[in-house]
Amino acid sequence: NAGVTQTPKFRILKIGQSMTLQCTQDMNHNYMYWYRQDPGMGLKLIYYSVGAGITDKGEVPNGYNVSRSTTEDFPLRLELAAPSQTSVYFCASSYEEGVYEQYFGPGTRLTVT
Amino acid sequence: ELKVEQNPLFLSMQEGKNYTIYCNYSTTSDRLYWYRQDPGKSLESLFVLLSNGAVKQEGRLMASLDTKARLSTLHITAAVHDLSATYFCAVDRNRPGNMLTFGGGTRLMVKP
Repeated sequence: NAGVTQTPKFRILKIGQSMTLQCTQDMNHNYMYWYRQDPGMGLKLIYYSVGAGITDKGEVPNGYNVSRSTTEDFPLRLELAAPSQTSVYFCASSYEEGVYEQYFGPGTRLTVT
Repeated sequence: ELKVEQNPLFLSMQEGKNYTIYCNYSTTSDRLYWYRQDPGKSLESLFVLLSNGAVKQEGRLMASLDTKARLSTLHITAAVHDLSATYFCAVDRNRPGNMLTFGGGTRLMVKP
């Protein structure tokens, strides 16, 4: 199993540009999450999904959108990038029942200038 | 709103010493997780604590959970340099979706 994979690893955006961060998991997890981590800080939840076709906002959803058309994929869309969105973005997934542990992808480091 | 506070935020210790990291949270939850993050890397799961009184140990690290006090501890025994990393606790919000609220992290440096 590859686990949770994310692309790209790094990206520099200009203010006002848009991009999609890709996230794929091969563990057949129903639950998926997007977090951002600012330097020296903990993680904050952006959006989450409990299954294909179902998404909901987390703590810091403004400026982002998500979709979940399949169990495996959970892309995060940034529209009109702003410097405040400079961060490291982590995707995670977990089982619906049982241990509930979240498994994290390697992250995408995004800089908006 | 669930708040999760860790202390200390930064810990510098000598090899061979013992120390404890504390994780306090503000509302009822009976599921707590500890993660490790090396610089520039992703998060690695260390412990999953699922009930009051739960204690888990792996090598030089031991984690415990007291849900009545809303407190978890991560105890380090005879620290070694390889334990240098940032440690995060995360608390389940007890809502559908298993959402977590993370603490701010404790950056641990173990000096030879």
